[in-house]
Amino acid sequence: EDQVTQSPEALRLQEGESSSLNCSYTVSGLRGLFWYRQDPGKGPEFLFTLYSAGEEKEKERLKATLTKKESFLHITAPKPEDSATYLCAVRSEGYQKVTFGIGTKLQVIP
Amino acid sequence: GAGVSQSPSNKVTEKGKDVELRCDPISGHTALYWYRQSLGQGLEFLIYFQGNSAPDKSGLPSDRFSAERTGGSVSTLTIQRTQQEDSAVYLCASSLDPGNYGYTFGSGTRLTVV
Repeated sequence: EDQVTQSPEALRLQEGESSSLNCSYTVSGLRGLFWYRQDPGKGPEFLFTLYSAGEEKEKERLKATLTKKESFLHITAPKPEDSATYLCAVRSEGYQKVTFGIGTKLQVIP
Repeated sequence: GAGVSQSPSNKVTEKGKDVELRCDPISGHTALYWYRQSLGQGLEFLIYFQGNSAPDKSGLPSDRFSAERTGGSVSTLTIQRTQQEDSAVYLCASSLDPGNYGYTFGSGTRLTVV
């Protein structure tokens, strides 16, 4: 069974203080690792898909990287508007469903 | 519409009553998913529809849960004889190609069973 573990559960940063969120996963044949952002009272918003080890994707202050066992979401010089819960998810071979982690709740303080 | 629309946004029901939750996906999206999210839990897969194929119902937690998708568009999730443990946010998502573009989620229906 696919498993996704995210750490830390919560992270508090000062504005401009860069950091990384971790997503460890166990799947039988990775067909995609996804990052989503979720704001309170809303559904998750798609950010990135990564497919193979060594792949990187960037969007504004966010950069996602992938190894064979984990993914990192690097946040460079975060702003208060980056405050949200960040969810990691994986899709394995032969399955259409995506398995989500519990998420990391990020708070960026001005 | 521009996004995935879910209704109602909030639903309070008495234990034992049936509820119906509605999802209007993005036009043209062939894949539709239902997930539920409980406090402190990750998103839990419930059911998946793809075009005219038989749905993947492997995530439905009991036979009190059912879902249908009419005309390849609107979907309804029905929970019969609701229990307190059914309280959660029920999220619908649609996708043109979930492998490449991920899902577009609605804002969810918050179900409270009292």
